[in-house]
Amino acid sequence: GENVEQHPSTLSVQEGDSAVIKCTYSDSASNYFPWYKQELGKGPQLIIDIRSNVGEKKDQRIAVTLNKTAKHFSLHITETQPEDSAVYFCAAPYSGGSNYKLTFGKGTLLTVNP
Amino acid sequence: DVKVTQSSRYLVKRTGEKVFLECVQDMDHENMFWYRQDPGLGLRLIYFSYDVKMKEKGDIPEGYSVSREKKERFSLILESASTNQTSMYLCASSFHNEQFFGPGTRLTVL
Repeated sequence: GENVEQHPSTLSVQEGDSAVIKCTYSDSASNYFPWYKQELGKGPQLIIDIRSNVGEKKDQRIAVTLNKTAKHFSLHITETQPEDSAVYFCAAPYSGGSNYKLTFGKGTLLTVNP
Repeated sequence: DVKVTQSSRYLVKRTGEKVFLECVQDMDHENMFWYRQDPGLGLRLIYFSYDVKMKEKGDIPEGYSVSREKKERFSLILESASTNQTSMYLCASSFHNEQFFGPGTRLTVL
C-alpha cells in the first residue's frame, strides 16, 4: 500500500506570513492528492486537491504543487489568518489506482499567531 | 447541505463491554469508512464499505467489526472493548474522491 510522510508535525507562523506543508508518497501510480483541514471539534474537510496531470492548482490563498518525479506535493497558504489555525492532512490513494480509499499523513498542527 | 452524523460525541465504556458506534449519511454515497485518530498517528483506516453488506479491512481491523445493512448506515463494533481502543473515531462517506467526515466520537475505555 501507499506510504505518506508529512512534515512538519507542527508549524507556527505570524499572521500575514506564508505557511508550507510538505508530503511525500511512495507509489508512483498514485494520481490524486487531496488536502484536508480539521478545525477543533470537527471532522476533516477537503480544502483542495490535485491530480497528477497538473503541477499546480490555486484557490484564493491556498495552492498545491506536485512534483511527480520526486514524488512529493506541498500545500501553500499565503497571507495566513487566525482562522487558518487547524490540523492539516495530506493524503494519497490507498494503493495506486483506486482513489476511493486514502492513506493520510500524520497531520500538521498550524498555529497562526495574531 | 451534505451531512454525516455520528451517534455520540463522547462515550465512556468499561473494559470488556461491547460497544456500537453508529454513522449515518444522507448523501446516498456508496462508500463509507471508519477511521481512528490518535495524536501523532494521524488518521488510520479501520474498515471500508463500498456497498451494502460489503466490507474491506483497513490498516488496523483487529478488535473491530463492522455492519452495513442499509446504504446510509455504517456501524463500528468493538466486540470486547479494551483500554488501547480509547481514541477518537471518525466516520466518512464518499461517492468518488472527496470524503465527507462526521464530527467524531471520542471513546474512553476504562
